[in-house]
Amino acid sequence: QQPVQSPQAVILREGEDAVINCSSSKALYSVHWYRQKHGEAPVFLMILLKGGEQKGHDKISASFNEKKQQSSLYLTASQLSYSGTYFCGTERTGANNLFFGTGTRLTVIP
Amino acid sequence: EAGVAQSPRYKIIEKRQSVAFWCNPISGHATLYWYQQILGQGPKLLIQFQNNGVVDDSQLPKDRFSAERLKGVDSTLKIQPAKLEDSAVYLCASSLAGRGTEAFFGQGTRLTVV
Repeated sequence: QQPVQSPQAVILREGEDAVINCSSSKALYSVHWYRQKHGEAPVFLMILLKGGEQKGHDKISASFNEKKQQSSLYLTASQLSYSGTYFCGTERTGANNLFFGTGTRLTVIP
Repeated sequence: EAGVAQSPRYKIIEKRQSVAFWCNPISGHATLYWYQQILGQGPKLLIQFQNNGVVDDSQLPKDRFSAERLKGVDSTLKIQPAKLEDSAVYLCASSLAGRGTEAFFGQGTRLTVV
């Protein structure tokens, strides 16, 4: 039931781009993206509800491929503040529960 | 707007003891989640309430864990007896309507079982 994320970890220099992927073996109703900094609670980034939907704010955006049961989070021109662990959360079609993935640890260095 | 409140923030107990965590969700939020987050891992859903009814508790170790949501508002998660592997951060989250809506997390309770 838990979605799978890749990569597990990535290190970027400021200004570089990154893509984080999230995939499920089950049909999905929605995908949520959160960022968690060390010792803090996860903070909501965005939710995607429709197949093919893309959302974004600032330089962080995401897409949802309903047919492939996958979502990707795109971070462009990364900033130091982007460092943290990114989690995708998924709600399956026909179910009413929110499961989180294994996480991707992103480190942005100067 | 007040966020999700949890207490205590930290708790240290010996194995085989019991412990309880409390959560007060955002006012008006119908859905309440309890997650267990072991260091270095993603949050694991323990139980999800819709108002005061249980939506999912498939990953709750029911021989030692229990949870209730009083009058569809506050919730308590209990562990009795605790094991060493229960050491984790216990996160409470709430959302306005559950499915398809943003979940807001509390600061969590860090439990250490020695």
